[in-house]
Amino acid sequence: SQQGEEDPQALSIQEGENATMNCSYKTSINNLQWYRQNSGRGLVHLILIRSNEREKHSGRLRVTLDTSKKSSSLLITASRAADTASYFCASYTGGFKTIFGAGTRLFVKA
Amino acid sequence: DTAVSQTPKYLVTQMGNDKSIKCEQNLGHDTMYWYKQDSKKFLKIMFSYNNKELIINETVPNRFSPKSPDKAHLNLHINSLELGDSAVYFCASSQESSFGYTFGSGTRLTVV
Repeated sequence: SQQGEEDPQALSIQEGENATMNCSYKTSINNLQWYRQNSGRGLVHLILIRSNEREKHSGRLRVTLDTSKKSSSLLITASRAADTASYFCASYTGGFKTIFGAGTRLFVKA
Repeated sequence: DTAVSQTPKYLVTQMGNDKSIKCEQNLGHDTMYWYKQDSKKFLKIMFSYNNKELIINETVPNRFSPKSPDKAHLNLHINSLELGDSAVYFCASSQESSFGYTFGSGTRLTVV
């Protein structure tokens, strides 16, 4: 199985609701990153949380990291239709390699 | 200005052909990557170059050959294309791997 695995695989919510996506990883990390991918586009870096951090905010995004459980969550508050995309976590373990999961597909209904 | 640009965006070709995908970044980053995204959206690293030197070469068929003429360019050449090579290929760059990547918009390769 993969280093980063997102849960759920797909999520459908109404505009204005909060969306929570989870990510689990297997080995120790230096940091964990979250990316967004709109349909037919490349991935866009959203936020990075270091292994010694527990929570980080950026606008409507809130990321938590629990290294004891090897898991992270991404919360998008007050979601908008424009948030519809796939969201990926990526674990950086050192060196030049960052390992991506298969992503959570978020659909926000207007 | 596009930070990481890949060409072509779409590539449809027959089995057995040889094709190339080009990537250029204008960010001044030292490291560039090729990732393959399959139909289930899973992203798998293929190659990475740091200052024109190959540093990651994952288990990829040797039909795939990367070339980095300078640190701003990383091209991917694929020989004898097979049906299973159909995927979206992403180029990315980073100044430091720990800082995160900037991705290109992808090349959708379809082998028929």
